[in-house]
Amino acid sequence: KQEVTQIPAALSVPEGENLVLNCSFTDSAIYNLQWFRQDPGKGLTSLLLIQSSQREQTSGRLNASLDKSSGRSTLYIAASQPGDSATYLCAVSHNFNKFYFGSGTKLNVKP
Amino acid sequence: NAGVTQTPKFRVLKTGQSMTLLCAQDMNHEYMYWYRQDPGMGLRLIHYSVGEGTTAKGEVPDGYNVSRLKKQNFLLGLESAAPSQTSVYFCASSGEDTQYFGPGTRLTVL
Repeated sequence: KQEVTQIPAALSVPEGENLVLNCSFTDSAIYNLQWFRQDPGKGLTSLLLIQSSQREQTSGRLNASLDKSSGRSTLYIAASQPGDSATYLCAVSHNFNKFYFGSGTKLNVKP
Repeated sequence: NAGVTQTPKFRVLKTGQSMTLLCAQDMNHEYMYWYRQDPGMGLRLIHYSVGEGTTAKGEVPDGYNVSRLKKQNFLLGLESAAPSQTSVYFCASSGEDTQYFGPGTRLTVL
């Protein structure tokens, strides 16, 4: 069974700092990996999707990398802002039917 | 274009009562999913559907039933609610890759 782990569970940083969130998974035979953002009391919003054949994806200040062989992904956030405060979840899929989620990293960016 | 909507947003049930959660999507997606989210455990897949008239079990299907009679709707039923089913329930839909999530239903079973 696929296990997805996110470390740290919570992170607090001052505004403007660059930061890295980590995601690891036990079964490297994945179809793709996604990073989501979840605001309190809300649903999930997809940030970046990396196909298994790709190494990274970028969107604005966000960059996600994937090392499938080692079972790791990182989400890099540049020049963090208070509006980035949210819980970030990663999810892996083995096909388009089943997704396995980590428990998330709760990020607090202090003004 | 509303995306994925869920009804209701909140519900309180007594043990043994039944209810149905409704999920609707307007993106013509083939795939739909029901998850539950519990503190510290991330999201766990309950059931999913790969098309109209089809359903399949996910990671935690016990105590739940689903139906996909129309492509745009995916229903999650609790026949006899238990306190262990207190959770936040999310519906999602997808094409071939990205999942789009609804706002969630917060269910409390007393």
